[in-house]
Amino acid sequence: GAVVSQHPSWVICKSGTSVKIECRSLDFQATTMFWYRQFPKQSLMLMATSNEGSKATYEQGVEKDKFLINHASLTLSTLTVTSAHPEDSSFYICSARDALAGAETQYFGPGTRLLVL
Amino acid sequence: DAKTTQPNSMESNEEEPVHLPCNHSTISGTDYIHWYRQLPSQGPEYVIHGLTSNVNNRMASLAIAEDRKSSTLILHRATLRDAAVYYCTSNFGNEKLTFGTGTRLTIIP
Repeated sequence: GAVVSQHPSWVICKSGTSVKIECRSLDFQATTMFWYRQFPKQSLMLMATSNEGSKATYEQGVEKDKFLINHASLTLSTLTVTSAHPEDSSFYICSARDALAGAETQYFGPGTRLLVL
Repeated sequence: DAKTTQPNSMESNEEEPVHLPCNHSTISGTDYIHWYRQLPSQGPEYVIHGLTSNVNNRMASLAIAEDRKSSTLILHRATLRDAAVYYCTSNFGNEKLTFGTGTRLTIIP
């Protein structure tokens, strides 16, 4: 149980284009999902908290107009990197919290590696 | 402010127990302690979590200090597949988990 998927697993795009990453909880309902970014040899950095049916809450320094988050259902959240630039190249990871499990345990997706040329 | 502190790296011989320490002195009474591990180019994998009592599951054991300011993740018999970065984390009173730099565990064959 507690499986989270991400799609795509990797993407290469040209500078200036937009990229959408999907995060799905496969066997549980997730009222809250989280989006992280991880640069090489660094820890996970939380970008935003996504609550089903409401606007995402962004961490300080994360541009909400550049990283659009939608959490339209209890099993799906999407992150769209708009007008991507090479500095947006990173490993993007989502996580989902099982609403019924308690303890604030999050289950993570496998990550999406983005390379912007 | 680092809310959890862990050694940057540790080494262990294969098939021996490994004790990974973590300090979380600012944790509150209702915050759970979570451990995750991450292999290269993968998302973090849930290992174990606990509140006050020691916890065991098929992957590991979690020993929580009586004052809850520290905890130790115990891998009873390390294998090469246990080589990863291990993160100790907590939500520290809100819904977000705060990740530190973790401990890079190397297993020596």
